[in-house]
Parts: sequence; C-alpha cells; structure tokens
Amino acid sequence: QVQLVESGGGVVQPGRSLRLSCVGSGFTFRNYGMYWVRRAPGKGLEWVAVIWYDGSNEYYEESVKGRFTISRDNSKNTLYLQMNSLRVADTAVYYCARTYGSNYALFIDYWGQGTLVTVSS
Amino acid sequence: DIQMTQFPSSLSASVGDRVTVSCRASQGIGNNLAWYQQKPGKVPKLLIYAASTLQSGVPSRFSGSGSGTDFTLTISSLQPEDFATYYCQKYNTAPWTFGQGTRVDTK
Repeated sequence: QVQLVESGGGVVQPGRSLRLSCVGSGFTFRNYGMYWVRRAPGKGLEWVAVIWYDGSNEYYEESVKGRFTISRDNSKNTLYLQMNSLRVADTAVYYCARTYGSNYALFIDYWGQGTLVTVSS
Repeated sequence: DIQMTQFPSSLSASVGDRVTVSCRASQGIGNNLAWYQQKPGKVPKLLIYAASTLQSGVPSRFSGSGSGTDFTLTISSLQPEDFATYYCQKYNTAPWTFGQGTRVDTK
C-alpha cells in the first residue's frame, strides 16, 4: 500500500532553517509528482510547493517563494522541503502528498501523516 | 491567479440530512476540481476528482457536480462519520489553490 512518511519537523526560531523529508513506499516514487501542503492552526489547507516526477519543474506558493525549496532524490524515494528564513506564519502541520494526473492537472490521491513545524522565539 | 471561493464556511446538520457545499472559481477551470475531507486530527482524504468522479472506496452518498466556474459537493444522507471539514481544490494549472473549507458539524 502507498505510504508517505514525513520527518524533520520541530520547534525553530524565526529566521532559522529546517529541512523536511518524506519517504515514499508502496509505489514507484519516480513516476509521480509530489506536493507539500500545510495547515496552520485554525486555518485551512494551503498548497506550498509542487515538483514534477523527474524534478524538472517546481512551483511555489507566493508567500514561500525565495525561502523554500522543494527537491527530490528518486534513488532514495525521498522528497524534501528546505525551509529558510522561517516566519511565525509558517507554523503549521506540513503534509507530503502524492499527485495524480498529467502535466499541470495534478490533484492529490495520497497524503502523509504530517509533521508539525512550530516557529517561535 | 484564479480565486476559489467556498461556501458556506460552516453548516450545522443532522444525521440523514442532505448537505450541499459549493465552490466557485473566479475563472473557468473546466472539470479540474477535487474535493477532500479532513476530520479533526486526521489526514485529508480524496473524495472526488474531475469534479464528479468518486475516488475508489468512497461511499456513494457523496457526489460532485459542476464544470467551468461553479461546483457542488453533495452528501445525500449525512452519516455520523461525515462530520468533518471539506475542501475543494482547483488543479487545472498553478497555483493549485484550495478553497477556504466548509466545516460540517452537528445541529
């Protein structure tokens, strides 16, 4: 069965960095685009970043552009999110998610359990 | 960018009620719309994609309709396990925006 397991969350001070990881199993990781999606406390779902199956394209939500970087290592079945210059507003549960679809028409069919990132001084 | 407006933001209903949630895009998105359910403390779950295609394993009391700019999620007979927050998401192209969510709670 499809499994996505995130790690790397924690408490960090504003302005610092954190790297999230997500290991996929139960499917051919290199064939699927991947998302990071977050949910801040008391807020709704927000897409953060998307990466193509082969890493050839990346897209970012406006508020994280220039601060976050999505990447993947298909040899390790692993997705990453490098988060720099963190802000209090980045506090959220971060979900790794698998895309389904083609070209830009990518919805999410499987979600990881999420990892909590808390940005606080 | 295309904006997604979901309404109502919350509603109260009873078991057995027919429930309707709406999602409106500021521009046409074809049928590139998905619906997700999230229960408190749980992971979101895909219910419907391509506006009206039920994901495998999702009960048939859930249905989706619409195309272009106006979309609807309907629960034909609300069950106890359906109390949750529902989100729409456009996925025709970047940005893959979610609606603000609709919380369905007990009347």
